[in-house]
Amino acid sequence: KQEVTQIPAALSVPEGENLVLNCSFTDSAIYNLQWFRQDPGKGLTSLLLIQSSQREQTSGRLNASLDKSSGRSTLYIAASQPGDSATYLCAVKGGSEKLVFGKGMKLTVNP
Amino acid sequence: DTGVSQDPRHKITKRGQNVTFRCDPISEHNRLYWYRQTLGQGPEFLTYFQNEAQLEKSRLLSDRFSAERPKGSFSTLEIQRTEQGDSAMYLCASSSETGGLDRQPQHFGDGTRLSIL
Repeated sequence: KQEVTQIPAALSVPEGENLVLNCSFTDSAIYNLQWFRQDPGKGLTSLLLIQSSQREQTSGRLNASLDKSSGRSTLYIAASQPGDSATYLCAVKGGSEKLVFGKGMKLTVNP
Repeated sequence: DTGVSQDPRHKITKRGQNVTFRCDPISEHNRLYWYRQTLGQGPEFLTYFQNEAQLEKSRLLSDRFSAERPKGSFSTLEIQRTEQGDSAMYLCASSSETGGLDRQPQHFGDGTRLSIL
């Protein structure tokens, strides 16, 4: 059974810091990995998708990497801003259509 | 692209009542998913449709839950005889098949928050 872990559960940083968010998964047989952002009381916003054959994806200040063999992904946020405050979730897609999610990491960026 | 739309945004009901939620996917997406999210947890998969066919169901989807997607467009999720444990955010997502199954992200709606009194 696939399990996805995100540590730490929460992080509070001053504005301007470069951040690394971690995600680990137990079964390396995945098709892709997605990073999402969730604001309070809202749904999920897709940030980046990395296919199993890829090593990284970039969008603006965000860069996600994937090491499938070791079961790890990182989301790098450059020059963090207060507007980046949200919960960040990673999810993997394995042999079926469902996504398996971690519990998320609550990020607070202080001005 | 108007995004995934869910209705209602909030539903408060008494234990034992039936509730129904609606999801309108992104128009060109043929795949539709339902997830449930409780406080402090990541979403958990409930069921998946390709067009009008329900192809996968989680064990979380008890006999009190039923989902439909008539004509492969919008979908409904019904919960019968609601229980306290059904209180959660119910999220709908959709995706397309363009370019291959591993290339397409799932796009989520804002969810329906269910509260059982």
